[in-house]
Amino acid sequence: QKEVEQDPGPLSVPEGAIVSLNCTYSNSAFQYFMWYRQYSRKGPELLMYTYSSGNKEDGRFTAQVDKSSKYISLFIRDSQPSDSATYLCAPDYGGATNKLIFGTGTLLAVQP
Amino acid sequence: NAGVTQTPKFRVLKTGQSMTLLCAQDMNHEYMYWYRQDPGMGLRLIHYSVGEGTTAKGEVPDGYNVSRLKKQNFLLGLESAAPSQTSVYFCASSSGAAVSALHFGNGTRLTVT
Repeated sequence: QKEVEQDPGPLSVPEGAIVSLNCTYSNSAFQYFMWYRQYSRKGPELLMYTYSSGNKEDGRFTAQVDKSSKYISLFIRDSQPSDSATYLCAPDYGGATNKLIFGTGTLLAVQP
Repeated sequence: NAGVTQTPKFRVLKTGQSMTLLCAQDMNHEYMYWYRQDPGMGLRLIHYSVGEGTTAKGEVPDGYNVSRLKKQNFLLGLESAAPSQTSVYFCASSSGAAVSALHFGNGTRLTVT
């Protein structure tokens, strides 16, 4: 079993839709849960992260973690064509080294 | 502010050839990383460094060597390239704080024929 599982998509939605992106993980020692966004032919960039269970909101983006079921979600409200990218989840143990375990990424296309 | 710069952007090698990928960061970050990204496999850590003069193995280190002679530079070497090393290589850096973002370069696309 992979440590992090993520549906690769692609996921195609119309502009303005609510998008739900999800990951599951197997190691209960993960404490921080990152979401990176990667545009085509670019490096990933940190979008947001949460600590332990719960929700975190940042503008149109909401990250949610359920540690009891080992399930991570990213919701995008009022999706825009500029949100078209690959979204990678990356749980972290915490600590300085940042040896993240990345999911394979979900490719999202928002159609105008 | 350039962030993380990778050179070259593209390269084609023949099996058995060698090459070095260069990563430079201008954020004074202590930690640097080399990842490879393959379809269906995601990003996998090759080697990393926690400071000048240090290196450590990641998840997929075989066939690669690294050096961190200067804090701002992290070099990835392929001594004898194989077709299985065809991939997109990303360098990243971080400050080393407990939860700190990885800052990635835009990748080197390597094809080994």
